[in-house]
Amino acid sequence: DGGITQSPKYLFRKEGQNVTLSCEQNLNHDAMYWYRQDPGQGLRLIYYSQIVNDFQKGDIAEGYSVSREKKESFPLTVTSAQKNPTAFYLCASSIAFSGTDFYNEQFFGPGTRLTVL
Amino acid sequence: AQSVTQLDSHVSVSEGTPVLLRCNYSSSYSPSLFWYVQHPNKGLQLLLKYTSAATLVKGINGFEAEFKKSETSFHLTKPSAHMSDAAEYFCVVSDPGRSGYALNFGKGTSLLVTP
Repeated sequence: DGGITQSPKYLFRKEGQNVTLSCEQNLNHDAMYWYRQDPGQGLRLIYYSQIVNDFQKGDIAEGYSVSREKKESFPLTVTSAQKNPTAFYLCASSIAFSGTDFYNEQFFGPGTRLTVL
Repeated sequence: AQSVTQLDSHVSVSEGTPVLLRCNYSSSYSPSLFWYVQHPNKGLQLLLKYTSAATLVKGINGFEAEFKKSETSFHLTKPSAHMSDAAEYFCVVSDPGRSGYALNFGKGTSLLVTP
């Protein structure tokens, strides 16, 4: 089955620790995204990548880092610089599109819930 | 930049009654609009999408939405609520002004369905 997988489902972090969230897709999508979800705030974009070896900051990139070494993988590292990391993290992917096509359906993984101890 | 406003943070309906979840958008040109649904502790699933074709869009599970340019609205409706419809619903706009055409999400509407 094609889809997006995220692991782990639950993650606990101690103060000062870096942790990495995994996101893998087998949809052959070029674009991948990381969102953070907090209660009552919808989803906010952390980082996105349109192509391998390239990524861009989203609205709340501070304290996070990413890499895109393979088309199917887009891991997110939550660093110790992120002061309030407790949240639900969602990874998504979409087909790359032409400059005249505004349509951009994104497919989401099941999420990782990160809690700081 | 494109944005959406979901007018209700919580909506409660009885099973079998109609559902209306309201969404207004702001855009300087014709947007692409989406409704996504999220069940507790799950990822998001696309319900339906508007991409400048028909203004009345039919989605999965009996949901539909109507794009009204004059009112800048994209309200989500369903004739008869089912208990399984209880979830969080997000109105979303694609923002071609952002590199990567990232999505802008509304803050969500929590739908409660009572027996």
